[in-house]
Amino acid sequence: QKEVEQDPGPLSVPEGAIVSLNCTYSNSAFQYFMWYRQYSRKGPELLMYTYSSGNKEDGRFTAQVDKSSKYISLFIRDSQPSDSATYLCAMSGAVTTDSWGKLQFGAGTQVVVTP
Amino acid sequence: KAGVTQTPRYLIKTRGQQVTLSCSPISGHRSVSWYQQTPGQGLQFLFEYFSETQRNKGNFPGRFSGRQFSNSRSEMNVSTLELGDSALYLCASSQTGTGANVLTFGAGSRLTVL
Repeated sequence: QKEVEQDPGPLSVPEGAIVSLNCTYSNSAFQYFMWYRQYSRKGPELLMYTYSSGNKEDGRFTAQVDKSSKYISLFIRDSQPSDSATYLCAMSGAVTTDSWGKLQFGAGTQVVVTP
Repeated sequence: KAGVTQTPRYLIKTRGQQVTLSCSPISGHRSVSWYQQTPGQGLQFLFEYFSETQRNKGNFPGRFSGRQFSNSRSEMNVSTLELGDSALYLCASSQTGTGANVLTFGAGSRLTVL
């Protein structure tokens, strides 16, 4: 079983709808949670990161972390065709010298927003 | 501010050859990490360098190696290429001291092994 599980999709939504993405994880040591967006033939781009449990909002994006359930979510409001991409969740534990730069990624969810 | 720059963007090699990929981190970022991305395995951590020293290494064979220079630029090398090494190789840089593994990725080098 992988440490981070993410449904690969594809997830197809009409323009203007809310996109709901989530990941589950098994390692209770994870403290930092990130969401990356990756367009085809590009590198991942950081969208948001949160520390521990709680919500964080940035424009149309909201990230939620529930450490008790080992479950994180990303919501995209008023979705646009330009949001069509693969969304990757990523996590890490406490950052120490021997863990720097090392993230555990989910498989990524392909999102398609249709006009 | 320039982002993470990776060269070359695309390359084709044959089995048994070796390849060297280059990465220039964001100015001021001293930590450079490398990842391999494949459709089957997703993003997998290769190694991380800081101050010309490898601090962390993922679960890859010794054919995969890297180094970092005094200006923080990094290279990774794969020797004796195998078909399964075909992948997108991503470099990421980060600032140390922020307490979080916030990585900024480059566009990647897409390697095809024939």
